Amino acid sequence: EIVMTQYPETLSLSPGQRATLLCRASQSVNYNLAWYQRKPGQPPRLLISGASNRATGVPDRFSGGGSTTDFALIISSLQSEDFAVYFCHQYEKWPWTFGQGTKVEIK
Amino acid sequence: QVQLVESGGGLVKPGGSLRLSCAASGFTFSDFYISWIRQAPGNGLEWISYIDGGDMYTTYADPVRGRFTISRDNAKNSVFLQMTGLRVDDTAMYYCVRHRGPAIFDLWGRGTMVSVSS
Repeated sequence: EIVMTQYPETLSLSPGQRATLLCRASQSVNYNLAWYQRKPGQPPRLLISGASNRATGVPDRFSGGGSTTDFALIISSLQSEDFAVYFCHQYEKWPWTFGQGTKVEIK
Repeated sequence: QVQLVESGGGLVKPGGSLRLSCAASGFTFSDFYISWIRQAPGNGLEWISYIDGGDMYTTYADPVRGRFTISRDNAKNSVFLQMTGLRVDDTAMYYCVRHRGPAIFDLWGRGTMVSVSS
């Protein structure tokens, strides 16, 4: 199965700062990569699919990039509501797999 | 309101069975595939099964194949996960998730907890 590795595990930043989250696949997933946001007590929320396509209603401070094995989620200017866990997901090959997540916390 | 609501979780002994349900509302249910995804305590998310919208094609991840069965009733906007031969390592929060052909999970339920312990 394709192993998804995210880093860093934790990102400590202040509101207004830029966040760069990374996700690496153990083999090529082409552009079949999604990013999700998860807050305590809430179900995950789709942010990005196709590596760079924002889901409906997602603010444009969120952007995704990359292809094949290396991907990034960038939050251009952190807002208070953005402090959460983010995880990547590949849907190139069965079984579909997820990264372990990056926690973005307030510094 | 567009949502998925899971139910049926609980505490069961190893070797036991449970049936999870997922009730959908607010969208044309038969247009979508439904997956079950779980997260064990301290672990990442694990996709375990999906069923398509109409032809009832199903598939399973290796850890649950032969023990779990996914089904749906489009007339009742519901999906089910029959779990048998439960093991301690099946302990997890189980999520019902909507998607189309590509597994882009655009709507998640809040989950139902399954605990397997003697």
